[in-house]
Amino acid sequence: EAGVAQSPRYKIIEKRQSVAFWCNPISGHATLYWYQQILGQGPKLLIQFQNNGVVDDSQLPKDRFSAERLKGVDSTLKIQPAKLEDSAVYLCASSPRTSLFTDTQYFGPGTRLTVL
Amino acid sequence: RKEVEQDPGPFNVPEGATVAFNCTYSNSASQSFFWYRQDCRKEPKLLMSVYSSGNEDGRFTAQLNRASQYISLLIRDSKLSDSATYLCLARDSNYQLIWGAGTKLIIKP
Repeated sequence: EAGVAQSPRYKIIEKRQSVAFWCNPISGHATLYWYQQILGQGPKLLIQFQNNGVVDDSQLPKDRFSAERLKGVDSTLKIQPAKLEDSAVYLCASSPRTSLFTDTQYFGPGTRLTVL
Repeated sequence: RKEVEQDPGPFNVPEGATVAFNCTYSNSASQSFFWYRQDCRKEPKLLMSVYSSGNEDGRFTAQLNRASQYISLLIRDSKLSDSATYLCLARDSNYQLIWGAGTKLIIKP
């Protein structure tokens, strides 16, 4: 079974530029998560989708971050404009949605973003 | 703010020893708990879910103490390959997910 795919793996941009990340979850997984993980910290949930609906985006900085999952499959996360403090690894995860309380999350390899 | 707290470590432990660490959570509405393992520069992977009755998987035992609001992870007969950062995760009744910052474990030969 193929895992969660993410691209690009690495991205270096200047502050105030825009960047987009792509995620393709495991086939059949209804729930998709985007996380930001800063070095030395745990993952911080940015947004959680159930199919193409948003379950939780309370920690998404909506003035600069946006995410969509139009067909309930793959997803994109965009930052516009980027700030220095956005330097982090952006992780995408998916789960099968047998139960939101017990579901295992399967993570992609992440995109390492450096903002100069 | 709902928090999940972990001792960052590192815990330096000789191979073969037993090691345990805890994770405390502040939100009493937290309903489900998990331990994930994250190797350096890799993605987190599920180690085990934590049930009210406690659960064991080989050398790993997880416990939940709702009265004191913490979960624990015990590793017996530690292996060099157990070296990693261990993250705890709590999900509350509103489906909100809060991760701890992780505990770094180093197993020494």
